[in-house]
Amino acid sequence: DTGVSQDPRHKITKRGQNVTFRCDPISEHNRLYWYRQTLGQGPEFLTYFQNEAQLEKSRLLSDRFSAERPKGSFSTLEIQRTEQGDSAMYLCASSLGTSGGLSSYNEQFFGPGTRLTVL
Amino acid sequence: AQKITQTQPGMFVQEKEAVTLDCTYDTSDPSYGLFWYKQPSSGEMIFLIYQGSYDQQNATEGRYSLNFQKARKSANLVISASQLGDSAMYFCAMNPNTGNQFYFGTGTSLTVIP
Repeated sequence: DTGVSQDPRHKITKRGQNVTFRCDPISEHNRLYWYRQTLGQGPEFLTYFQNEAQLEKSRLLSDRFSAERPKGSFSTLEIQRTEQGDSAMYLCASSLGTSGGLSSYNEQFFGPGTRLTVL
Repeated sequence: AQKITQTQPGMFVQEKEAVTLDCTYDTSDPSYGLFWYKQPSSGEMIFLIYQGSYDQQNATEGRYSLNFQKARKSANLVISASQLGDSAMYFCAMNPNTGNQFYFGTGTSLTVIP
C-alpha cells in the first residue's frame, strides 16, 4: 500500500492523558498537513510541514498540541493533557505541490484518520 | 478572510440523474486553487476534481465537472449519471496560493435514491 497511513486508527483516552499519533505520507511527497474534523464539519487545518520544517500553524493549535516531522518523512502529532473537546478525527494529508504559474496545483492525498475519544 | 460556504446540508438525487452541489468562496488572493473531495461513511477523503483560478476552462474528470464562475466566486460540482456509490459527504476546499492552508466548507451529504 503506497498511500498515506495513520496509526492508530482509533484511540480512547482519559482526560488529562497525553496521546501521540503518527502519519506516514506518500514517500516522495514533501508536504504534510494535519487537520482536525469534528462531527458534521469539514476538516480544519492545524499545521503544515514542507520537508522537516513546520511552516504554518493554525490558531487552533494550542500549546498542548505539538507536531514534528524530524526527517522530513513521517510526522507525529502529540496532544498533552487531553480535554473532552479534543475528541475528533485527526486527518493527515500529503502532497507533492507544484509551484509556478498562476495557479499552483497542490492535490492532497488523505490518510484514513485517527479517531480520538477523550472520556 | 478566507471562507468556503456550502449551503446545502443534504441533497437527494435519483439514480442516473445529474446533481449540482453548491460552493461559494471568499478570498482576496488573486490566485488560488479550488478542490472537491468525497468522504464516504468509511471516513477517507477522496480527491475528485481541481480548478485553478486562472484556468480558462471548467475542469472535468469523468462524471465530475466543476462549474466555475469566478466573478460570482462559485465553484459548483456537477455529478452526472449518479450512481448508488456516489452517496457520501462532499467537501469543497480552497487553497490560496499565498499560503499553505486549505479551507474546507461544512460539506453536503448526498444520497442517491435507487
